[in-house]
Amino acid sequence: NAGVTQTPKFQVLKTGQSMTLQCAQDMNHNSMYWYRQDPGMGLRLIYYSASEGTTDKGEVPNGYNVSRLNKREFSLRLESAAPSQTSVYFCASGDNSWYQETQYFGPGTRLLVL
Amino acid sequence: KQEVTQIPAALSVPEGENLVLNCSFTDSAIYNLQWFRQDPGKGLTSLLLIQSSQREQTSGRLNASLDKSSGRSTLYIAASQPGDSATYLCAASHTGTASKLTFGTGTRLQVTL
Repeated sequence: NAGVTQTPKFQVLKTGQSMTLQCAQDMNHNSMYWYRQDPGMGLRLIYYSASEGTTDKGEVPNGYNVSRLNKREFSLRLESAAPSQTSVYFCASGDNSWYQETQYFGPGTRLLVL
Repeated sequence: KQEVTQIPAALSVPEGENLVLNCSFTDSAIYNLQWFRQDPGKGLTSLLLIQSSQREQTSGRLNASLDKSSGRSTLYIAASQPGDSATYLCAASHTGTASKLTFGTGTRLQVTL
């Protein structure tokens, strides 16, 4: 049982390049999330998916797109990377128990945009 | 807009000491309040979740309390150990958007021998 996996672990991009961050969970969870973590700002929600086939914007969605490919996989795409998107990106899945949902986090992807 | 604050940003204590980490939030309309642990270079691990109708939750040496009226939660760690060294984050989940968490910036704890 791997939990939540993310690929790649590290990535360096040049400004304007595109890339997709991959996330998969094997816990049969309905909800999945993408966060970014920046020094001094805590984790901020980028996008989330409450169930397969649905996605919604979080607090900081600009510059990102997401795809809920199936129940297991939720990808985050940067179409034209900017230095401001340098961050650590975390994917999480939730057991969708509404007011008592526990979220399970992946190990993160460290992205540097030059 | 919900704001979550954690003070202090960093804390160093000797092994064996009992300690309290603080979390405050501005909007009391929350579904639950969660505490997470983050080790350097790693993801987050859920420690405790307190529903809005509850006052506290306990797991081993950890006890989390919630006071919605004052907008505060505390995480009490008993008999601290060097293995407790990590960053502790609290997050509030909002009524009506049960799965969307607002995180504090965390308290970095170091337990020394």
